[in-house]
Amino acid sequence: GIQVEQSPPDLILQEGANSTLRCNFSDSVNNLQWFHQNPWGQLINLFYIPSGTKQNGRLSATTVATERYSLLYISSSQTTDSGVYFCAVERVGNFNKFYFGSGTKLNVKP
Amino acid sequence: AAGVIQSPRHLIKEKRETATLKCYPIPRHDTVYWYQQGPGQDPQFLISFYEKMQSDKGSIPDRFSAQQFSDYHSELNMSSLELGDSALYFCASSPTGEAGNTEAFFGQGTRLTVV
Repeated sequence: GIQVEQSPPDLILQEGANSTLRCNFSDSVNNLQWFHQNPWGQLINLFYIPSGTKQNGRLSATTVATERYSLLYISSSQTTDSGVYFCAVERVGNFNKFYFGSGTKLNVKP
Repeated sequence: AAGVIQSPRHLIKEKRETATLKCYPIPRHDTVYWYQQGPGQDPQFLISFYEKMQSDKGSIPDRFSAQQFSDYHSELNMSSLELGDSALYFCASSPTGEAGNTEAFFGQGTRLTVV
């Protein structure tokens, strides 16, 4: 398989602070996605980003495929950003199977 | 926009009973995935289908089986339920792009509790 490591495992922020979440993976990927799992368990798509940089409001993500890592940036955090952030990848040549990292649990305090 | 629909949302079963979870993928998505997420864990891959054929298989117990039907909906059948099967079960779907699959979307999950 492929190893997917996320850091930090836990993060506590004051509302309004910025943060960077990291996802390292051990092999070449053709698909990388970031998800936010809210307190109700729903997995919400944040970014489909096998390479390059994307931005969506206060969130942005960068994947450097050649160096096998991806970063998720959260700016001006809000309490509604709380939850678990997962990185998931599909390895090149191994379609139809996502490997998830263990997630970053974010708690944004008012 | 249409999303992945899973039913039921919640299910309570007793040990040794059988459960059937259903998944309706986004229209024109040809790949369906099933995942199991235990409390405090990351989602674990169970099985996937591409164009109604099993594509890949993960750590799925022999007590579990799944199939995808002609209308592309999928069902996960779980027999002889055990307490440890209590989890959130996700279905996801994706279309196939030129370089493989593209963005996958997850349903809201079925929360199974075995008592």
